[in-house]
Amino acid sequence: NAGVTQTPKFQVLKTGQSMTLQCAQDMNHEYMSWYRQDPGMGLRLIHYSVGAGITDQGEVPNGYNVSRSTTEDFPLRLLSAAPSQTSVYFCASSPGTAATNEKLFFGSGTQLSVL
Amino acid sequence: DQQVKQNSPSLSVQEGRISILNCDYTNSMFDYFLWYKKYPAEGPTFLISISSIKDKNEDGRFTVFLNKSAKHLSLHIVPSQPGDSAVYFCAASDPNFGNEKLTFGTGTRLTIIP
Repeated sequence: NAGVTQTPKFQVLKTGQSMTLQCAQDMNHEYMSWYRQDPGMGLRLIHYSVGAGITDQGEVPNGYNVSRSTTEDFPLRLLSAAPSQTSVYFCASSPGTAATNEKLFFGSGTQLSVL
Repeated sequence: DQQVKQNSPSLSVQEGRISILNCDYTNSMFDYFLWYKKYPAEGPTFLISISSIKDKNEDGRFTVFLNKSAKHLSLHIVPSQPGDSAVYFCAASDPNFGNEKLTFGTGTRLTIIP
């Protein structure tokens, strides 16, 4: 049972570099999302998707792009990394579609440092 | 504006005693509340939840209490065990949006002292 798999676990970038954080789930969940965790800020929603081909912005979407071409995968792209994007990133999924309260299943996180 | 607040960044409790973690919210539209537990280098895992139509929900050693008039909820762990040492996040959901706008608190680090 892999659940939600995130890669890489750690990444160091220079300002201006681009990269993609990978997220895959094998539970056939419709809903997937990306959060960032910062000290004193809790978990904040970046982008989410309620199914393949459908994405929308969360609370802090600036500087990030997403796409959802399959049910399983939901990559997060940083086009031009900035020090303010230094954070721990979590991908999460749940069975339900929009406006449900089903619990989220989280990946183990990606620790990103932007120098 | 922090709509879900966990005012205690950390809490230490003796093994076997009760741990009480608190959470306050300001948005009266929130009607579903969840607690997640997070160990270092792992993602959060769901612990327990409560709907606003209830004032208490129990699951083994974990009980969540909701006081809607005070906009306050608390998580009780009895008895506390060393494996309960983790960061606990409170989260709240607006019925119009569900998981799309789940709002998390800043977390409380619980340390159980053997």
